[in-house]
Amino acid sequence: GAVVSQHPSWVICKSGTSVKIECRSLDFQATTMFWYRQFPKQSLMLMATSNEGSKATYEQGVEKDKFLINHASLTLSTLTVTSAHPEDSSFYICSALTPGQGNQPQHFGDGTRLSIL
Amino acid sequence: KQEVTQIPAALSVPEGENLVLNCSFTDSAIYNLQWFRQDPGKGLTSLLLIQSSQREQTSGRLNASLDKSSGRSTLYIAASQPGDSATYLCAAPAGNNRKLIWGLGTSLAVNP
Repeated sequence: GAVVSQHPSWVICKSGTSVKIECRSLDFQATTMFWYRQFPKQSLMLMATSNEGSKATYEQGVEKDKFLINHASLTLSTLTVTSAHPEDSSFYICSALTPGQGNQPQHFGDGTRLSIL
Repeated sequence: KQEVTQIPAALSVPEGENLVLNCSFTDSAIYNLQWFRQDPGKGLTSLLLIQSSQREQTSGRLNASLDKSSGRSTLYIAASQPGDSATYLCAAPAGNNRKLIWGLGTSLAVNP
């Protein structure tokens, strides 16, 4: 149980295009999802917290107009990298919280490797 | 502010050795602590979750302990195998919003 699916797993696109990444909780409802970014040889860094039906909360230094997050249903959150540039190339991973107390674990997708040419 | 540190940064051992990976955190008021495995270019695999009320968790050859008073967790891997080669990450939540703070990981190589 508690499976999180992330799509696509790999995307290569030209500079200036927008890319959408989907994060789905397959067998549970997730009111809260998280989006992380990982640069090579660095640890994961939280970008934003996505709450169903409300605006996402962005971490300091993350441009909300560049990284658009939509959490329109209890099983789907999307991250759109708008006008992507080579410096946005990274590994993006989402996670979802199962319902319950604050001690519940986060369940992670397999990540999306984004390469901007 | 929660900070997570992992040592060593890298470890290379021969197959069959028992080994210990260390994780320390600065804010002991945590709900839980998780250990993950990440293979190169891949996502995360959750290994063990220790709740704040627990002292250890076991899964197969893995055993994770938690000492909140000292701000430390260890991951013990028994009888290591080449398939255990990966980066091992620990993460602790910060504050009430449950966002995870991550260590930089320990890169493990088990040589046949």
